[in-house]
Amino acid sequence: DSGVTQTPKHLITATGQRVTLRCSPRSGDLSVYWYQQSLDQGLQFLIQYYNGEERAKGNILERFSAQQFPDLHSELNLSSLELGDSALYFCASSVGVGDGELFFGEGSRLTVL
Amino acid sequence: SQQGEEDPQALSIQEGENATMNCSYKTSINNLQWYRQNSGRGLVHLILIRSNEREKHSGRLRVTLDTSKKSSSLLITASRAADTASYFCATAPYGNNRLAFGKGNQVVVIP
Repeated sequence: DSGVTQTPKHLITATGQRVTLRCSPRSGDLSVYWYQQSLDQGLQFLIQYYNGEERAKGNILERFSAQQFPDLHSELNLSSLELGDSALYFCASSVGVGDGELFFGEGSRLTVL
Repeated sequence: SQQGEEDPQALSIQEGENATMNCSYKTSINNLQWYRQNSGRGLVHLILIRSNEREKHSGRLRVTLDTSKKSSSLLITASRAADTASYFCATAPYGNNRLAFGKGNQVVVIP
């Protein structure tokens, strides 16, 4: 158990809809990262937050947004969903923003029909 | 952005044999990390090697790093059925932890 909690584990929705994925980092970790894993793209870094502030942005679509709240949990909002958004979405956390290992949650599997 | 590329992509071995995976990357790095992912599960950190290190061991794992060739290898010795998983290398640039992952090696250990 990594200590990172993601909900929901599975989500099935229709094109055009909006969903919110939630992540609670390990106790004491200030950084939260979101990754998307799909068969064709592999693991893609989306965005990182550190202590409530956006720290780095990767290949995140404009239809996607995220935030980190004062209690350090994070949410990833996906809107105007398309079939291609079907993927595993992982949250990871780390103590700081420097180097070091990431602790991954079990992921949220999103299926867009 | 830089990205690790593992080689080979898929490996099938008998229990007790060694498994070796390679990873190459394109730009300067601060560290290189290896992760394991069981089917459909979250990634689990295995080992981190810094750019000024050449070799590191952790239990049955041995990682090497050759910064001149921009490559790394992961050796799993005396493999077990429980080692069946996908293995990813990930590179971290200086100053941040934005890991860039390779596409992964699928390893199947046959009992």
